[in-house]
Amino acid sequence: GENVEQHPSTLSVQEGDSAVIKCTYSDSASNYFPWYKQELGKGPQLIIDIRSNVGEKKDQRIAVTLNKTAKHFSLHITETQPEDSAVYFCAASMGGSQGNLIFGKGTKLSVKP
Amino acid sequence: EAGVAQSPRYKIIEKRQSVAFWCNPISGHATLYWYQQILGQGPKLLIQFQNNGVVDDSQLPKDRFSAERLKGVDSTLKIQPAKLEDSAVYLCASSPVGGNYGYTFGSGTRLTVV
Repeated sequence: GENVEQHPSTLSVQEGDSAVIKCTYSDSASNYFPWYKQELGKGPQLIIDIRSNVGEKKDQRIAVTLNKTAKHFSLHITETQPEDSAVYFCAASMGGSQGNLIFGKGTKLSVKP
Repeated sequence: EAGVAQSPRYKIIEKRQSVAFWCNPISGHATLYWYQQILGQGPKLLIQFQNNGVVDDSQLPKDRFSAERLKGVDSTLKIQPAKLEDSAVYLCASSPVGGNYGYTFGSGTRLTVV
């Protein structure tokens, strides 16, 4: 079946450094790629998303890049802060569906002060 | 706007018992999803509703899981009988329409089957 691979599974950075999380997807029909942040005991929260007709999108310290040819997309967080510590999930839409998403397994990001 | 409401927050049951979860989506959101999130993994879709009709339930274990969305608003997810491997967080999400829009998730119900 279709799947989304996410790396790394854990990532530890110093405050102020950048963090990069990478995902690959298998369904060539996927056209929507959101990123979610999940804090302990809470549901995932949408932080940024990108559609297949765009190669890059930025929102303050967060950016996402998409390479449809290679089926790769990445999350970039600059100037990391301790409050960025959480589990981050990438997801890709299932082709031809009405919004169903396949999620990666998550990356636990720790930002050390 | 109020978020997606779910209850209960936690539930502990013995295997072979039944359990039900409730979800109230954001007002006006036509599409409602139930996801299962096993510890250490990403959410996995169980069922998607568009208004009160089922759009996708291909990954719902229908021999033990059932879900309904009466009147196109609230939804309930039931497990009967529960197995140990059903221990997970059950997340409800909603979106204004179908077709690749960012969901809003609820905080989930953490189920432990002992």
